[in-house]
Amino acid sequence: DIQMTQSPSSLSASVGERVTITCRASQSITSYLNWYQQQPKKAPKLLIYAASTLQSGVPSRFSGSGSGTDFTLTISSLQPEDFATYYCQQSYASPSTFGPGTKVDIK
Amino acid sequence: QVQLQESGPGLVKPSETLSLTCTVSGGSISSYYWSWIRQPPGKGLEWIGYIYYSGTTSYNPSLNSRVTISVDTSKKQLSLKLSSLTAADTALYYCARAEYSEYDFDYWGQGTLVTVSS
Repeated sequence: DIQMTQSPSSLSASVGERVTITCRASQSITSYLNWYQQQPKKAPKLLIYAASTLQSGVPSRFSGSGSGTDFTLTISSLQPEDFATYYCQQSYASPSTFGPGTKVDIK
Repeated sequence: QVQLQESGPGLVKPSETLSLTCTVSGGSISSYYWSWIRQPPGKGLEWIGYIYYSGTTSYNPSLNSRVTISVDTSKKQLSLKLSSLTAADTALYYCARAEYSEYDFDYWGQGTLVTVSS
């Protein structure tokens, strides 16, 4: 299985701050990388697919980049509704696997 | 608006078989991949398996021998059966639709909590 890691595991940030989350795959997954946001007690929500394509309806302050093994999710200006846990997921090979998550909370 | 709704027992005994159903409304079940994904309390996400509307399936090898996913297109339902349950199977179980590939989950149900306990 392809192992996904994320850093940091948690971070504290203020409204308006720029936030960057990193995801690394144990082998090349080209651009087959998705990002999800999960708010407490809710199902995950697809933010970005294919490493950098913004899902319909997702605010443009979210962006993704990377290819191969290293990927980044950036929130350009953190909003109150963005405090949540973020997961990366590889869709390159079966079984699809998720990272352990990065929890973003309020500083 | 596509909606997915999981249903099934909230409590199952060890060694028994879990049966869950996901009902799709507001959209077609055809031409999409449909997955089951689970999340143990306070932990991360694990993909269980998918079914294509035509019936093709793929399962996570870690659960392969215990999992069966089926689809009833006439009822717009997919089903999950997971056998030989242990406490480690206690989790929130989600169904999800994939649109762009087998694993790009753009619609999710709200999840159903399954507890394995005697």
